[in-house]
Amino acid sequence: GAVVSQHPSRVICKSGTSVKIECRSLDFQATTMFWYRQFPKQSLMLMATSNEGSKATYEQGVEKDKFLINHASLTLSTLTVTSAHPEDSSFYICSCQRGTQYFGPGTRLLVL
Amino acid sequence: AQKITQTQPGMFVQEKEAVTLDCTYDTSDPSYGLFWYKQPSSGEMIFLIYQGSYDQQNATEGRYSLNFQKARKSANLVISASQLGDSAMYFCAMREGGDDKIIFGKGTRLHILP
Repeated sequence: GAVVSQHPSRVICKSGTSVKIECRSLDFQATTMFWYRQFPKQSLMLMATSNEGSKATYEQGVEKDKFLINHASLTLSTLTVTSAHPEDSSFYICSCQRGTQYFGPGTRLLVL
Repeated sequence: AQKITQTQPGMFVQEKEAVTLDCTYDTSDPSYGLFWYKQPSSGEMIFLIYQGSYDQQNATEGRYSLNFQKARKSANLVISASQLGDSAMYFCAMREGGDDKIIFGKGTRLHILP
């Protein structure tokens, strides 16, 4: 299957700071990437669809000004959690579309 | 209404036994795809198996098979000869029509007992 990486795998930050998470497709070009968040013992919730060269499409209830998505190239999408608060602590996982969706290993964010 | 329903929050199964994880779905789109993913404690999502709505035969991948019953709108995952390493969360998911988005069910936590 396709290889998708995420960086960092874990991050701890202070409340009020911004955190950037990178998602890379390593062996193919992905025009579409997806960002999910997952709270403990819950399912994956789609946050937004990231389209290369255009604005991301956010799901209802997701604040686009808080979760900034940039898909500057066919192999890289970034999610920036701006002014992070403790309630933003979660597991963030990206996926890349190549027929089916292939997922990155995820990023655990802890906001103190 | 939920698009994907997984009614078993948790299951305990003896090693080497077969396991069936239930999944029902709801869509009015005649074209759709159904997926199963495995999520171990590390958090990564591992793609297991895919079934297209127009596929005539049930999908199989090694020890995994998908029992696709279109009229009942069910897509149960069957794991044969379970192994300890199969202990994980399992998610059923669906993609509708031309949409790229995948919608996930709430998952089933499978515990394989030695």
